[in-house]
Amino acid sequence: ELKVEQNPLFLSMQEGKNYTIYCNYSTTSDRLYWYRQDPGKSLESLFVLLSNGAVKQEGRLMASLDTKARLSTLHITAAVHDLSATYFCAVDIGSNSGYALNFGKGTSLLVTP
Amino acid sequence: DSGVTQTPKHLITATGQRVTLRCSPRSGDLSVYWYQQSLDQGLQFLIQYYNGEERAKGNILERFSAQQFPDLHSELNLSSLELGDSALYFCASSRGTGISPLHFGNGTRLTVT
Repeated sequence: ELKVEQNPLFLSMQEGKNYTIYCNYSTTSDRLYWYRQDPGKSLESLFVLLSNGAVKQEGRLMASLDTKARLSTLHITAAVHDLSATYFCAVDIGSNSGYALNFGKGTSLLVTP
Repeated sequence: DSGVTQTPKHLITATGQRVTLRCSPRSGDLSVYWYQQSLDQGLQFLIQYYNGEERAKGNILERFSAQQFPDLHSELNLSSLELGDSALYFCASSRGTGISPLHFGNGTRLTVT
């Protein structure tokens, strides 16, 4: 069974600081996704990482994928309050017939002044 | 707005009852996915349909069933409801059946009393 583990699960950080969220997964996959969820809201796709060494950046967020280590990171640079949300990583559990994403438990990020 | 429409937004019902959740995917998307989100279990994949056919199955209980209709909308039927079924149920859609991010609806919050 594919396991996707995120850490930390809770993160409180000050505005302007940097931090990294880690996502480990237990089986071979070349595809990893990051999502954001605001309280009471739906999930919004942030990044799609499709190969080893893939790096994607959007604003203050940068995601990377190391398929050999089965590890993805989401790096936050100079955090601002608007980044407060829950961040999920998800790994493709595709098969010959179907496809779905297996999500980690999420990292709840709170950015404080 | 992801373009995925879920109804109803909220549902309150009693144990033992049966409910139906409805999802309309984004225009042009052929795949529909159902997820259950709860505090203790996180985001759990339930089932995927592609162009009317079941393609992948996750941790879906036997009391739950789903289908995708010719117009591509999908329904998730939950029967013999238990208190533990209280959760946020998300529908997501994608163009095909792999290597594309899922686009999530706003969810249906189910409360079983």
